[in-house]
Amino acid sequence: AQSVAQPEDQVNVAEGNPLTVKCTYSVSGNPYLFWYVQYPNRGLQFLLKYITGDNLVKGSYGFEAEFNKSQTSFHLKKPSALVSDSALYFCAVRISTGGFKTIFGAGTRLFVKA
Amino acid sequence: DGGITQSPKYLFRKEGQNVTLSCEQNLNHDAMYWYRQDPGQGLRLIYYSQIVNDFQKGDIAEGYSVSREKKESFPLTVTSAQKNPTAFYLCASSYTEGGYTFGSGTRLTVV
Repeated sequence: AQSVAQPEDQVNVAEGNPLTVKCTYSVSGNPYLFWYVQYPNRGLQFLLKYITGDNLVKGSYGFEAEFNKSQTSFHLKKPSALVSDSALYFCAVRISTGGFKTIFGAGTRLFVKA
Repeated sequence: DGGITQSPKYLFRKEGQNVTLSCEQNLNHDAMYWYRQDPGQGLRLIYYSQIVNDFQKGDIAEGYSVSREKKESFPLTVTSAQKNPTAFYLCASSYTEGGYTFGSGTRLTVV
């Protein structure tokens, strides 16, 4: 079955430290990979995507993600965390089923402590 | 500004009642989607539509219905057959290979 896994329910990091939110996937074919962020009682906001090309993708708000084909991972990273980065983060993969739909991971809650 | 609008923000449903959630986009996106979000379960796909007058069931379509009569609009009806409708409902739209643009969501509560 095609799936997306976010192994950590919660990640805690101190402000100014680097952060990593992990994502692994299991899909057939070449994946389209995405990260989204959700603030309380709001819809999700697109952060970045990988379709092809450079394995390191840069996105909004200083976030970046590294695509690793051999490990089937797409971890989200930021060199220096801010308290305002505290939110719920979702990894997603686009699959082709005669059309296109997206599978979302369960989400990882990021807490950045001042 | 282009975007996607969901209304209402909060909705209360009585037992046995059908309710309709609105979703409108002016992004000229072909595809539109409805997701349900429950605490700790991430997003689950209810229905999606890739072109006008066509839509497909997602993973949890039972108790829901949709229509896609216009490119801009993709309303979701939560019917009385949906036994546990209390959740946060998210509408999204996209081009085929692009990321999704989400609305701000509708929180539905059964009273």
